[in-house]
Amino acid sequence: EDQVTQSPEALRLQEGESSSLNCSYTVSGLRGLFWYRQDPGKGPEFLFTLYSAGEEKEKERLKATLTKKESFLHITAPKPEDSATYLCAVQATGRRALTFGSGTRLQVQP
Amino acid sequence: GAGVSQSPRYKVTKRGQDVALRCDPISGHVSLYWYRQALGQGPEFLTYFNYEAQQDKSGLPNDRFSAERPEGSISTLTIQRTEQRDSAMYRCASSVAWGQGGYEQYFGPGTRLTVT
Repeated sequence: EDQVTQSPEALRLQEGESSSLNCSYTVSGLRGLFWYRQDPGKGPEFLFTLYSAGEEKEKERLKATLTKKESFLHITAPKPEDSATYLCAVQATGRRALTFGSGTRLQVQP
Repeated sequence: GAGVSQSPRYKVTKRGQDVALRCDPISGHVSLYWYRQALGQGPEFLTYFNYEAQQDKSGLPNDRFSAERPEGSISTLTIQRTEQRDSAMYRCASSVAWGQGGYEQYFGPGTRLTVT
């Protein structure tokens, strides 16, 4: 059974204080690992897809990396508008369903 | 362009009633997914359509749940004889076909279902 575990559950940062969110996964065969951002009361918003170990993707202050067992979402010099829940999901080969973790609630204080 | 839309946004129903939740995918997206999201959790897969064909319904919790997409566009998730445990946020997502781009799924705003 595919499993995704995200840590920490919650993270509070000061503006400009860089940090990383972790996503550990077990999957029968990885087709892709996805990062989403979710604001309160809204649906998940797609950020990145990573397909193979060693791959990295960047968008503004966010960088996602992938190994064979985990993914990291690095947040550099965060701003208050980066406050949200960040969700990680895996898609197994041969399937279209995404298996999500429970998310990391990030709060960035000014 | 327009994203995934869902209606109604909120639905309150009494236990034992049937409900129908609607999803209108992004124009041109041939794949459509239904998920259920509990508070503080990530979405949980329910079912998936490719065009009008239901290709995977392994996540539907029991036979009170069904979904259809008769013309390969709008989809309806129906819950019969609702129970309080069905209360949750129901989310729809859509994506392009295999081989036409990435595998990312784009989510709608959800329907909050409350069963009293």
